[in-house]
Formats: sequence, C-alpha cells, structure tokens
Amino acid sequence: NAGVTQTPKFRILKIGQSMTLQCTQDMNHNYMYWYRQDPGMGLKLIYYSVGAGITDKGEVPNGYNVSRSTTEDFPLRLELAAPSQTSVYFCASSSDNRGYGYTFGSGTRLTVV
Amino acid sequence: QKEVEQNSGPLSVPEGAIASLNCTYSDRGSQSFFWYRQYSGKSPELIMFIYSNGDKEDGRFTAQLNKASQYVSLLIRDSQPSDSATYLCAVRGNTPLVFGKGTRLSVIA
Repeated sequence: NAGVTQTPKFRILKIGQSMTLQCTQDMNHNYMYWYRQDPGMGLKLIYYSVGAGITDKGEVPNGYNVSRSTTEDFPLRLELAAPSQTSVYFCASSSDNRGYGYTFGSGTRLTVV
Repeated sequence: QKEVEQNSGPLSVPEGAIASLNCTYSDRGSQSFFWYRQYSGKSPELIMFIYSNGDKEDGRFTAQLNKASQYVSLLIRDSQPSDSATYLCAVRGNTPLVFGKGTRLSVIA
C-alpha cells in the first residue's frame, strides 16, 4: 500500500517559472490537503478538498491553485514562482473530517532562485 | 485567526527522564487535539490524539487535555534518544488541522 505519494521530491525553480506538485493517494480518502512548512515553523494550510470537484482555500492560498478531478489526485500548481514560495510542501489525506488519521506524503522540497 | 502556540525549545532531557511538552490554543470551539512527531527531513507522523478532557495513555506517551484552560500537553516517559525530534501540536475545530510551530526535543544519552 503506497499511501500518499508526492512528486518530485526536490525541485529548483527560477523566479517566474511555473510548476505542478503532484499528489496521489491510494486509500480512497475523500479529504486531501496541501500544507507548506518553512524552516523552524509549523505547517500552514494552503488548500484542501473534501471530495472530487470540491476545493477550498486555507490560510496561505495566494500564488497557488489546485484542482481535484478524481478522488486519488490533488495537484498543486505554482504560477509565477517567487522566492517566498521556497518551502517544503506536504500533501496529506484523511478518511473523514475529524482530522483523525491524517496520512502525510514524504514532501517536496522546493527552492525558488 | 486560530492559533496554536508551542515553546520552540530545544527541550533537553536526560535518557530515562520524563519529557513534558505543552501547547495552548486560541479557538474555544476546537474539538480534537493531536500530537505529531517529525524527524528532521521527514514528514509528520501521528503519535497521539485526544478529544475529551483528562488523560489518555498509550505506551510511554500520555496526552492531557484541559479545555477550560485551552491547554494540551504530551508526556513522554522513559525518554529515549530515538525520541529526539520535533513534536507538533495540532488542533481541529470546523476546519482542517491547525498546527503549532513545534517543540524540538533532545534526549541526551
């Protein structure tokens, strides 16, 4: 059972470039989340989804977009990358809305130069 | 803005001692409370969750919740060097989990 798979693991972007961070889960979870973690900081919610076709903004959505066309996939799109988006990005999923049992992916370390 | 506050540490304890990690939260409507452990360069992993006031024990770990004081704590008994990590407190109300900045724990052999 793969759980939550994130790709790529590492990426260096130039300012102004765009990219998509991929996230796939094979647990048939309805709820999926994108968090970012800056050095020495906790996780901040970027976007989340409660099911296919439904997404909502979190605490820090500016500069990002998401889509949820299937239960399994929840890609995060960065448009016009900025140095402030240098961070580690974690995708997570859960089976219900209670927060119980969030499963995290291994993370994507992104550097914008 | 919902906030979760933790002392960033580092908290240093000798091997075999009890480590006490604390967390306060601002949203009185919070319903469930979680402790995650995160090793350097790794993703968070859930170690404890608690919904009701009081204590909840799981092996060497005890979570304590006091909703009136808006306070959650994690006790780690018989601390081991392998417990050295950052511990993240997370709180849920009507939105996804809100995380604190984490407390870095160092267990000295």
